Amino acid sequence: GQSLEQPSEVTAVEGAIVQINCTYQTSGFYGLSWYQQHDGGAPTFLSYNALDGLEETGRFSSFLSRSDSYGYLLLQELQMKDSASYFCAVTGQAGTALIFGKGTTLSVSS
Amino acid sequence: DTAVSQTPKYLVTQMGNDKSIKCEQNLGHDTMYWYKQDSKKFLKIMFSYNNKELIINETVPNRFSPKSPDKAHLNLHINSLELGDSAVYFCASRTTSGGQETQYFGPGTRLLVL
Repeated sequence: GQSLEQPSEVTAVEGAIVQINCTYQTSGFYGLSWYQQHDGGAPTFLSYNALDGLEETGRFSSFLSRSDSYGYLLLQELQMKDSASYFCAVTGQAGTALIFGKGTTLSVSS
Repeated sequence: DTAVSQTPKYLVTQMGNDKSIKCEQNLGHDTMYWYKQDSKKFLKIMFSYNNKELIINETVPNRFSPKSPDKAHLNLHINSLELGDSAVYFCASRTTSGGQETQYFGPGTRLLVL
């Protein structure tokens, strides 16, 4: 079967750094994506890793290790507005749909 | 300009009814999807279309029938609605510009079956 594992909840304070891990087991692998979803909203794209290493976009970074079937999303300088659900998702093959993890609810407090 | 739009945003209906959800994207993407998000926020692929052709059809009851009149539109028709169909349905379109896989989601249609 195909599965992605990520923590269900993470809490942190403003200004802190949080890492959300994702391990995956899929029949194929083309890339690992991260999406953010606020309550009542739609998933929005954050980052994509097809190759091993770190991708940085502002306060957010994403890492991938294909050999370990593992990735993480790093959120720095946390703000209240970062409170949301974060989903890792795998593209199993080129052109196919995303297979999503169950999401991590991040709560940022002051 | 809205990139991916869906109508209606909310849909409340009785069991046994037939309903449709419409989706349009103005991004020029070739591939579109329907996802279902349940009450536990689990997002699951239902269908995928590439340039009007069905390429993915996950294990979805045949009461659900997608239709793509052109590559900018992907509609979802649901027959004989059941309580378990209550969920949020998201349409999405996909690009691989610059080797980066990105999906753009519509705002969602919140379906409640009574």
